[in-house]
Amino acid sequence: DIQMTQSPSSVSASVGDRVTITCRASQGISSWLAWYQQKPGKAPKLLIYAASSLQSGVPSRFSGSGSGTDFTLTISSLQPEDFATYYCQQANSFPTFGQGTKVEIK
Amino acid sequence: QVTLRESGPALVKPTQTLTLTCTFSGFSLSTSGMCVSWIRQPPGKALEWLALIDWDDDKYYSTSLKTRLTISKDTSKNQVVLTMTNMDPVDTATYYCARHRSELSSPGWFDYWGQGTLVTVSS
Repeated sequence: DIQMTQSPSSVSASVGDRVTITCRASQGISSWLAWYQQKPGKAPKLLIYAASSLQSGVPSRFSGSGSGTDFTLTISSLQPEDFATYYCQQANSFPTFGQGTKVEIK
Repeated sequence: QVTLRESGPALVKPTQTLTLTCTFSGFSLSTSGMCVSWIRQPPGKALEWLALIDWDDDKYYSTSLKTRLTISKDTSKNQVVLTMTNMDPVDTATYYCARHRSELSSPGWFDYWGQGTLVTVSS
């Protein structure tokens, strides 16, 4: 199975900050990567697919980049509704998820 | 409008078999490329993919759990059913079903999710 490692596991940030989360795959996955946002008690929501494509309806402050083994999710200007946990998922083979990154209020 | 909803018991005893049903609308599991997966999340922990079934009735399972899982579909009822045998307290989790579309050899991304159902395993 392909292992996905996210860092950091948590980040404290303020409204307006730029936040970057990284995800590393244990082997190359081309651009077969998605990012999800999950709020407490809710199902995950798809933000980014194919490493850098923005899902319909997702604000443009979210962006994704990378290919191969190293990927990044960036929130350009953190908004109050963005405080949540973020997961990456590889889709090169049977799906696996990262362990999550919690974005907390500083 | 695409919706998915999970149903099943909230509490099961150790060693029992869990049966969960995902009832969906707004898409057809007969459409080429369409898939439904089950994913779980123990309290406070990460997401774990369990199984998927595709439009062609192909079934795939998590390597670590494949001996305990069975996935099936009833296209006429728009339902996908997951059974998990020999339940243990470590299987306590919120269980989600989610839609995705396969492309090339990739299972793709989960674009629609159910709200999840919490299953507690306890005697």
